[in-house]
This record gives sequence, structure tokens and C-alpha cells, in this order.
Amino acid sequence: AQKVTQAQTEISVVEKEDVTLDCVYETRDTTYYLFWYKQPPSGELVFLIRRNSFDEQNEISGRYSWNFQKSTSSFNFTITASQVVDSAVYFCALKDSGAGSYQLTFGKGTKLSVIP
Amino acid sequence: DTAVSQTPKYLVTQMGNDKSIKCEQNLGHDTMYWYKQDSKKFLKIMFSYNNKELIINETVPNRFSPKSPDKAHLNLHINSLELGDSAVYFCASSQVGREQTQYFGPGTRLLVL
Repeated sequence: AQKVTQAQTEISVVEKEDVTLDCVYETRDTTYYLFWYKQPPSGELVFLIRRNSFDEQNEISGRYSWNFQKSTSSFNFTITASQVVDSAVYFCALKDSGAGSYQLTFGKGTKLSVIP
Repeated sequence: DTAVSQTPKYLVTQMGNDKSIKCEQNLGHDTMYWYKQDSKKFLKIMFSYNNKELIINETVPNRFSPKSPDKAHLNLHINSLELGDSAVYFCASSQVGREQTQYFGPGTRLLVL
């Protein structure tokens, strides 16, 4: 069965610091998809990125970057020069095959607080 | 333009009542979902519908019944509400296929008193 672990429950950083949110996943499939979502204090879930298991290239989008490593089953998320607006709960999620192809398995989330 | 919308945004009700939450998507997707987020922020799938057919029905009490009148709508009806049903309920939609991204509605915050 699939599983996503976000070991960091809460992280606090001072504005402009870099921060990395960890995500470790488990799946028996060779083809799967990984996602990150952001849930700001207003409560909505905002899609950030999707990564395919066969594409290990790291991705950068502005201050956000993602490091996907199949060897360690990790898909970590780094925010560079953090800002107060980055304060949110961040969820890593996995989708694999079978019934799992219709559902996201979420980690428990990491609450990031950026202090001005 | 709202992609996935839910009504109501907040719902406060008494134990034992029956209530419905509505979800609509204008993305042209053919798969819709309901997720429950508990007080610890844990998100778990409840139901998934593809082309108006139920695909996933996780271990959810049968007091919860999803209804999909068409591909753009997936409503959630809850009978005999219990205190433990208090949570945030999210609707989501995607195209069919495991590679597809799910887009979420704003959530409905249900409080059962």
C-alpha cells in the first residue's frame, strides 16, 4: 500500500531564510506521481507541482525548488528566501496504480511559519 | 472564474440533522472526489466518481451518500449527523488518469453541535 511521510510537523524560520520540507514515500509501483499542495491560513488547497516517477530532473519555479530522488524515495521541497506569505501547511501526496490512480494519498502535512 | 466551487462554505448544525454540500466544477473534468480533513489536518479520500459512476468508496459510514447528477456536479449528503462528522470537506476534480492533477474547491467547514 502507498504511504507518504512528512516527518516535520512544524517548522519556524525567520524571513529570508531558506527552508526545506521533507517528503518520503512508499509505493510498490514503478510508475507513480508525486504532488505538493499548499494550504494557507485561508484554508484552500493550492496545487504547486506534479512530478512523474520516470522524470528525476529537479525543478525550480521562482523561489520554489523540488528535489526528487528515487534512490531514497524522497521528494523534498525547498523555499529560498522565505517570505511571510509562505506561511502555510504544505502537503506532499502520491498517486500510483489501481484504485490509487483515482485518489491522492496525502502526508500529514508540515506547518511552516515564517516570522518577520 | 471559479474552477471548483463548493456551497456552503460554512455549515453549523445540530446532531441528528441531515445536510448536503454541493460541488461544481467548470474545468470540463470527468472525475470528481470528496476528501475529509480532520482537526489534525489529515486529508483522506472518501469518494471518487468518474463519469457519474462511483469508483472509490472508502470506509465511510453509509450515512454519507454522494450523488452525481452530471459530470460537473458531485454533491455530498449526510444523514443523522454526529459530532465526529465535524471536519472540513473538500471537493476536487481531475481528468481521468493517474497522471492527472486534482484541483480542489475551497472546502466546506462543517461543525456539528
